[in-house]
Amino acid sequence: HVQLQESGPGLVKPSETLSLTCTVSGGYIGSFYWSWIRQPPGKGLESIGYMSFNGITNYNPSLRSRVAISGDTSRNQFSLRLSSVTAADTAVYYCARSNSDYFDYWGQGTLVTVSS
Amino acid sequence: EIVMTQSPATLSVSPGERATLSCRASQSVSSNLAWYQHKRGQPPRLLIYGAFTRATGIPTRFSGSGSGTQFSLTISSLQSEDFAVYFCQQYHNWPFTFGPGTKVDIK
Repeated sequence: HVQLQESGPGLVKPSETLSLTCTVSGGYIGSFYWSWIRQPPGKGLESIGYMSFNGITNYNPSLRSRVAISGDTSRNQFSLRLSSVTAADTAVYYCARSNSDYFDYWGQGTLVTVSS
Repeated sequence: EIVMTQSPATLSVSPGERATLSCRASQSVSSNLAWYQHKRGQPPRLLIYGAFTRATGIPTRFSGSGSGTQFSLTISSLQSEDFAVYFCQQYHNWPFTFGPGTKVDIK
């Protein structure tokens, strides 16, 4: 059974970089596609981007200049970095697995608040 | 970017009743549409993909229909565990986009 778990700071200062890690168990990041999705308070879900099994990345154009997703196959983890954050980046961040389409496994989500 | 909308925002239903939720895309997504169930404090759960294919382990009371721009999720007889938020997602074009959700609560 595939499980994903997000980890990282729950509070980030404006203009700094948000960094999260997703640890995958019961599956291997060398297969499938691995995504980050977020949901700001009171708003809908937003795709941030994904990393493919062979390391190819694709990002939401609205975030492309600030986002990077990378993987560590030795730890079976993948990570999100979002730079120059503002209050608008406050959200619950989810990691999820897909086959470049629908998401069949999700993490529990982690709330990241941007505030000084 | 394809904009997804859902209606109604909230649906109040009695246990055992039928619930029909709607999802609309701003342009055709063919059958590249998924439905999810989301309960507070839990990860979203995939219910339907390909507009009408139930995911593994999903009860037969959940069914999906539609194609192009108009889709529906029907729960034939609501059980207590079905009260949750349901949202749709298109994966026809990147960035994949989600509907705002329909909250199904107890009448």
